[in-house]
Amino acid sequence: KAGVTQTPRYLIKTRGQQVTLSCSPISGHRSVSWYQQTPGQGLQFLFEYFSETQRNKGNFPGRFSGRQFSNSRSEMNVSTLELGDSALYLCASSFGQSSYEQYFGPGTRLTVT
Amino acid sequence: GDSVTQMEGPVTLSEEAFLTINCTYTATGYPSLFWYVQYPGEGLQLLLKATKADDKGSNKGFEATYRKETTSFHLEKGSVQVSDSAVYFCALMYEGAQKLVFGQGTRLTINP
Repeated sequence: KAGVTQTPRYLIKTRGQQVTLSCSPISGHRSVSWYQQTPGQGLQFLFEYFSETQRNKGNFPGRFSGRQFSNSRSEMNVSTLELGDSALYLCASSFGQSSYEQYFGPGTRLTVT
Repeated sequence: GDSVTQMEGPVTLSEEAFLTINCTYTATGYPSLFWYVQYPGEGLQLLLKATKADDKGSNKGFEATYRKETTSFHLEKGSVQVSDSAVYFCALMYEGAQKLVFGQGTRLTINP
């Protein structure tokens, strides 16, 4: 069974631009969560989607948004990029609403210059 | 709010040494506890988990026991290998909420 895939793997953007990251969960998984990983703040939860509905949201500004499609694929968008948005963005999928095991993708490395 | 605290790294050991990475948590309820491992250039992999007090999670020679009385979930391995070199994250999550709260991570280096 294929794992969680994230595209693109690497991205370089300029301050003020916007970016869209994509995540394809493991087949059959309906929950997708997003995390930001930085050296200073560590791993922080962004949001989680289940069956196209956002169920949880972390403490990030409104510039960070996401959505989930009917096939469970998810995208996250960051508008008006800031230097501090440079990070590894990780997506994780799990089977259902109460599944404990989250399976992570390799991440998208975003660099904002 | 809920939080997880791990021992400061980096940790450097020789091959076959005994490993302990301390993890303590603060939680308002009764979360499940996890250890994840991140190898260079990769995402996180679930190493082990425990869903209730006194449960012991184990995998690949690693073990951790959910201690409610000390709010701890220390990771141990009896004999480490060079291939265990990675960053280890302790985390908690409540049932029904797919939101992991992570510790800051501990970088482990094993020398041959």
